Amino acid sequence: QQQVKQSPQSLIVQKGGISIINCAYENTAFDYFPWYQQFPGKGPALLIAIRPDVSEKKEGRFTISFNKSAKQFSLHIMDSQPGDSATYFCAASAQGSNYKLTFGKGTLLTVNP
Amino acid sequence: DVKVTQSSRYLVKRTGEKVFLECVQDMDHENMFWYRQDPGLGLRLIYFSYDVKMKEKGDIPEGYSVSREKKERFSLILESASTNQTSMYLCAGLSAGTEAFFGQGTRLTVV
Repeated sequence: QQQVKQSPQSLIVQKGGISIINCAYENTAFDYFPWYQQFPGKGPALLIAIRPDVSEKKEGRFTISFNKSAKQFSLHIMDSQPGDSATYFCAASAQGSNYKLTFGKGTLLTVNP
Repeated sequence: DVKVTQSSRYLVKRTGEKVFLECVQDMDHENMFWYRQDPGLGLRLIYFSYDVKMKEKGDIPEGYSVSREKKERFSLILESASTNQTSMYLCAGLSAGTEAFFGQGTRLTVV
């Protein structure tokens, strides 16, 4: 049972374009939704996170949109840059499960110059 | 700076060997996790620990065990390594309500 479904599997965007990655979850107990960024040879690192009491969170060029009723959340990268080329993972966790993170399968983003 | 350190970046082991992957964190995290990462499958949780000597199975615990004798150290044990355990292994530390910090990963090859 895949609790967090992520799409697309891969994404190619031109420099300056908008990258959009989508995730859907099933467990209504989830109360924390982070996005992680991973470069080759490195461990994932937190990019941005949201809790379900807000519908949007923005940090620089990165925005999370959250739709609680649809059980969906998405990452938008504005003005995408070649340095943004990486694998992106959405995740979800619940306080009642000792904050165990459940990850999507990842999206490989390539930003062409 | 926050550090989650995995003892080896690359390991090559033989089928049937007992393998120990070590992870140490310096942030006083209560929770520690072991994931394996495979292409197209994302990060899958093997085991996690929410306190010293406390552990809980994740989604794919078969063939693995863990040990957490001290708060800062969380070890993953492959009881009898098999070729299907060739993978990237990632350790993470987390404190309640905060972000998870990952180590650099250990790429294990079982031959």
